[in-house]
Amino acid sequence: KNEVEQSPQNLTAQEGEFITINCSYSVGISALHWLQQHPGGGIVSLFMLSSGKKKHGRLIATINIQEKHSSLHITASHPRDSAVYICAVRSNTDKLIFGTGTRLQVFP
Amino acid sequence: DGGITQSPKYLFRKEGQNVTLSCEQNLNHDAMYWYRQDPGQGLRLIYYSQIVNDFQKGDIAEGYSVSREKKESFPLTVTSAQKNPTAFYLCASSGGFGTDTQYFGPGTRLTVL
Repeated sequence: KNEVEQSPQNLTAQEGEFITINCSYSVGISALHWLQQHPGGGIVSLFMLSSGKKKHGRLIATINIQEKHSSLHITASHPRDSAVYICAVRSNTDKLIFGTGTRLQVFP
Repeated sequence: DGGITQSPKYLFRKEGQNVTLSCEQNLNHDAMYWYRQDPGQGLRLIYYSQIVNDFQKGDIAEGYSVSREKKESFPLTVTSAQKNPTAFYLCASSGGFGTDTQYFGPGTRLTVL
């Protein structure tokens, strides 16, 4: 079993829909990251969380430390949001452990 | 513009040849990393460097080598000993090791024929 599990693996949506991507982990962590990988391969860091909730534009990330779970929400989704979203956790030994990603396609 | 550059974007090599992937950053970051990405798998750490002239093996270092002679440069050599070198390679950097957000380069897709 992977230490970081994401669901779903693939997600399609119509423009304007509310999107939720989930991440569960099984190790002790000091922080959790959400990353976005564009079709060309480049990766951008969206959020770093250690507790609670963060919001940036239409993106919201939450984390529940007790349940070892995080969610990334996208409100009013748009085709330009189409990308692979990756959850990564920083373990208590400072190692970054990556999930396998969720591929999101938003259609107009 | 500050950032991380990797070149080339696509690289083709014959089996048995060594190949060096370039990674340069002008963010004045101390720490640099090399990851490998394969379909259906999460990124895996190959090597990392916390400071110039120092580097450490990651989870999958066999068949790879690195150097860190300059703060801004962290080249990765894929040697002929790497059994399955065809993959997407990502370089990253961070201000410090272990706590800071990592900034990623655009990646190099290596295909060994």
